[in-house]
Amino acid sequence: DTEVTQTPKHLVMGMTNKKSLKCEQHMGHRAMYWYKQKAKKPPELMFVYSYEKLSINESVPSRFSPECPNSSLLNLHLHALQPEDSALYLCASSQGVRGQGYEQYFGPGTRLTVT
Amino acid sequence: AQSVTQPDIHITVSEGASLELRCNYSYGATPYLFWYVQSPGQGLQLLLKYFSGDTLVQGIKGFEAEFKRSQSSFNLRKPSVHWSDAAEYFCAVASRGQNFVFGPGTRLSVLP
Repeated sequence: DTEVTQTPKHLVMGMTNKKSLKCEQHMGHRAMYWYKQKAKKPPELMFVYSYEKLSINESVPSRFSPECPNSSLLNLHLHALQPEDSALYLCASSQGVRGQGYEQYFGPGTRLTVT
Repeated sequence: AQSVTQPDIHITVSEGASLELRCNYSYGATPYLFWYVQSPGQGLQLLLKYFSGDTLVQGIKGFEAEFKRSQSSFNLRKPSVHWSDAAEYFCAVASRGQNFVFGPGTRLSVLP
């Protein structure tokens, strides 16, 4: 099974709201990722967790706060977002972060709209 | 720095015709190479990958890709396209310890 699940599928939030995106995988993967994707563009890496520790933060604004409660779960906490943050947010996981097993498996994404 | 180019922004083919999507990369050593497909509003699905060994790799849905070191290319092919193949296709490159670098994508339209 190569499934990564994400909830919710759609989210509309105001600029003063606090919300969270959730991601789950049961493949035993030790690396998990958050990407942001704007329309007609490739995914842009936001965060990487390796063995439940944050290993990469691609200079993402602090209004995005990741959390990895355990090896199967990844959250993205959202607060005081801007309209330009509206995008498809993708979660991915991989067995490792180098070599064989580095291929990433993506979830279906959360379509976020900030009003 | 790694970079990936997909020279074709949009390709239209007739159903049943053959398909080749181009991908070129810039990197000093042999990278890990991937092709992903994305239907509208969906996540990315891994079609195939190349790490080492045989330069012709088979993937899902009847796709294959050939790694050509001399041309720094990893082109995706399918002998006969189905209407359900219409989607966005992304080539991606990675190296040891480095993050994925995605190409800009090629949108495939299929005519009935």
